[in-house]
Amino acid sequence: DTEVTQTPKHLVMGMTNKKSLKCEQHMGHRAMYWYKQKAKKPPELMFVYSYEKLSINESVPSRFSPECPNSSLLNLHLHALQPEDSALYLCASSQAPGEGYGYTFGSGTRLTVV
Amino acid sequence: GQQVMQIPQYQHVQEGEDFTTYCNSSTTLSNIQWYKQRPGGHPVFLIQLVKSGEVKKQKRLTFQFGEAKKNSSLHITATQTTDVGTYFCAGPEVPTGGFKTIFGAGTRLFVKA
Repeated sequence: DTEVTQTPKHLVMGMTNKKSLKCEQHMGHRAMYWYKQKAKKPPELMFVYSYEKLSINESVPSRFSPECPNSSLLNLHLHALQPEDSALYLCASSQAPGEGYGYTFGSGTRLTVV
Repeated sequence: GQQVMQIPQYQHVQEGEDFTTYCNSSTTLSNIQWYKQRPGGHPVFLIQLVKSGEVKKQKRLTFQFGEAKKNSSLHITATQTTDVGTYFCAGPEVPTGGFKTIFGAGTRLFVKA
């Protein structure tokens, strides 16, 4: 199994809703990432998990809350989002944290905040 | 801060023409990676270059890493419509020991049949 699975593929939520994005990989990768991508822009790093511990938080607003329940799963909990948070949210994993490893991206969750 | 710049921003080619995108870093990189993102899709890892002056080929794609390890290029020979997409270069952010990968802005390739 050489892929990263993200659910749901599409999500529409109101500004008062609470929702969660899920990501799963079974490649034994020990680093997992959340990226946000706006149209025609490169992926923008949000969080890095290394061996299930949060290593990097790129000053992301607290309305985004990551969670890594185990080495295969990564969640992103969403609460009180703003319309400008609408974007493609990509999960990625790599064999290990740090340099030297390419990322495997999931197909993403296309989020619309209304 | 550390930056990875990529040019051109976009390029239109006729099918069969060649295409090149260039990537320049403000700092020396330990490695550089290339990704392709099809329209409506997600980034897909293509390759990683590590050595100074390294050249790698994947069928019609040729990747180069500069001698100073601050620039890289991706060249596609005889483009096909399946090459359409955005090509990103990406390098590790030095202060974080590579935990953070910085992506270039990407080059969007349009191929006309």
